[in-house]
Amino acid sequence: SYELTQPPSVSVSPGQTASITCSGDKLGYKYVCWYQQKPGQSPVLVIYQDTKRPSGIPERFSGSNSGNTATLTISVTQALDEADYYCQAWDSSTVVFGGGTKLTVL
Amino acid sequence: QVQLVESGGGLVKPGGSLRLSCAASGFTLSDYYMSWIRQAPGKGLEWVSYISSSGIIIYYADSVRGRFTISRDNARNSLYLQMNSLRVEDAAVYYCARARTDREYFYMEVWGKGTTVTVSS
Repeated sequence: SYELTQPPSVSVSPGQTASITCSGDKLGYKYVCWYQQKPGQSPVLVIYQDTKRPSGIPERFSGSNSGNTATLTISVTQALDEADYYCQAWDSSTVVFGGGTKLTVL
Repeated sequence: QVQLVESGGGLVKPGGSLRLSCAASGFTLSDYYMSWIRQAPGKGLEWVSYISSSGIIIYYADSVRGRFTISRDNARNSLYLQMNSLRVEDAAVYYCARARTDREYFYMEVWGKGTTVTVSS
């Protein structure tokens, strides 16, 4: 079965740029989306189809996908961006999630 | 306002059954694929199942195939998950979500708040 790999944790200073990666075999040929989940809350879609932002998601959130790696980039990171982030792709008609990355803003 | 509200969670013994429901409002359920996703305590997201807008296309994760059954009643604006032969490892918060899909992508654009399933003797 298809697997997506994310780093368990990423740290960033406020105002800096955070990059969270998601890797999988030939991932660049698939569409990737990203979810943000804060403690005790439901996940929220922040990027879909590699680069698109849903309505209401700040422009600070952007995505890319090429080769074997998709990346979620958060520019000018704020304390409120501290959360778990999950990548997700679709393979052989099944939904696959990455293991999640805890973003710490310190 | 688009809303999904899950219910039916609770405490069940291993081997037992539970039926989860998801009530949809603010949109026409029959226009969308729907999905169940779960999250064990302290763990990541795990996709469970999805069902097409008409109910004809259904897929399950290997971990639940043969034990769980997804269904929908568009007239009642409701999604269901029948869970049988429950195991300790099925304990999780179960989320229902509205999905968008085409041949090349599938993503969950709206999520409910979840319902908690505990499996313990």
